[in-house]
Amino acid sequence: DVKVTQSSRYLVKRTGEKVFLECVQDMDHENMFWYRQDPGLGLRLIYFSYDVKMKEKGDIPEGYSVSREKKERFSLILESASTNQTSMYLCASTPWGAEAFFGQGTRLTVV
Amino acid sequence: KNEVEQSPQNLTAQEGEFITINCSYSVGISALHWLQQHPGGGIVSLFMLSSGKKKHGRLIATINIQEKHSSLHITASHPRDSAVYICAVDTGTASKLTFGTGTRLQVTL
Repeated sequence: DVKVTQSSRYLVKRTGEKVFLECVQDMDHENMFWYRQDPGLGLRLIYFSYDVKMKEKGDIPEGYSVSREKKERFSLILESASTNQTSMYLCASTPWGAEAFFGQGTRLTVV
Repeated sequence: KNEVEQSPQNLTAQEGEFITINCSYSVGISALHWLQQHPGGGIVSLFMLSSGKKKHGRLIATINIQEKHSSLHITASHPRDSAVYICAVDTGTASKLTFGTGTRLQVTL
């Protein structure tokens, strides 16, 4: 079974902190994605990567950055956390043109 | 207007009922995905469709490319089917998905 593992299920951080969310997949997929999910808005794409060291902005990249130093790991970084970044964060990976596999999600609260 | 619209937003059914969830989209796509999200957050892929119909157990997914419409059917619904069902389209750019806002299904005994 493909596994996409996110480092934390729940996180509470203070405003202004630098926050790292880690995602690891074990199936050698090229494409990896970070989404956030908010009530009434569905999942929105923050950043994606289609290869090591490659990254592309999604629909809502402001306030976030990403890192992909190894194929299996895609990190989302909140440079200076703010309360409007309180959300559920979901990582996904997929080979080209195939079904997506999602992590279990990280519920981040910024206080 | 969202590129992916789902209906209904909320659905309550009794055990055993036949359920239909609809998805309409307004962009060209290479594939359409149906996903399931249980309370707690994890999302599971149910189907990926580019044409026709697929069946897996009690779940059936259909797509009409000309009408830009897809349906997810659940036959003989069961309380364990209670979840949020999400439609997503792949517009063909690096497998990026655009999501509907989901349909929350509650199946009662």
